[in-house]
Amino acid sequence: GENVEQHPSTLSVQEGDSAVIKCTYSDSASNYFPWYKQELGKRPQLIIDIRSNVGEKKDQRIAVTLNKTAKHFSLHITETQPEDSAVYFCAASRGGGNNRLAFGKGNQVVVIP
Amino acid sequence: NAGVTQTPKFQVLKTGQSMTLQCAQDMNHEYMSWYRQDPGMGLRLIHYSVGAGITDQGEVPNGYNVSRSTTEDFPLRLLSAAPSQTSVYFCASSYSNDYGYTFGSGTRLTVV
Repeated sequence: GENVEQHPSTLSVQEGDSAVIKCTYSDSASNYFPWYKQELGKRPQLIIDIRSNVGEKKDQRIAVTLNKTAKHFSLHITETQPEDSAVYFCAASRGGGNNRLAFGKGNQVVVIP
Repeated sequence: NAGVTQTPKFQVLKTGQSMTLQCAQDMNHEYMSWYRQDPGMGLRLIHYSVGAGITDQGEVPNGYNVSRSTTEDFPLRLLSAAPSQTSVYFCASSYSNDYGYTFGSGTRLTVV
């Protein structure tokens, strides 16, 4: 099955700087790559996703890039703010049928004011 | 739209007790799943369902049962609670596994 790994496990950034989290996946047939944000004590929430027919997607201060050849995708947060402090999970799926959405173990992002 | 509703929010069980965690969604999603979240372990899939009457095991199914008699409901049953099942449990639903998941607010379970 699909295996997703996230790096680094913890990332500290100064407010206003950029943060980048990278995920690698194992299944070359995976075609859907979402990112979830989980604030302390709350539920994970989808913040952005990308499909394999697109190389990059942006939504305000966040963006996701996908490199299918290298089998990795990254979350970019620009102009970080204290409210960006959270755990971020990446995931991957080949979609359809009984195929599962596989999650990484999560990255703790700490934005230092 | 209530989204995904989980009950209860908190529960303390004694070892050996059984209970059912409830999950209901009102978005007509076919795909529903149960995860447990433990520190440093991320979200681990327990069981999932791709539609009413169809369920399958995830990564960590032992000690848990599920059924899906309707599109809306996907209860998770703990057969004989063990301390190793102390965790936060999340239910999630989606149109399919290549669409965004909506998570419930979670159930914090402690087994003593």
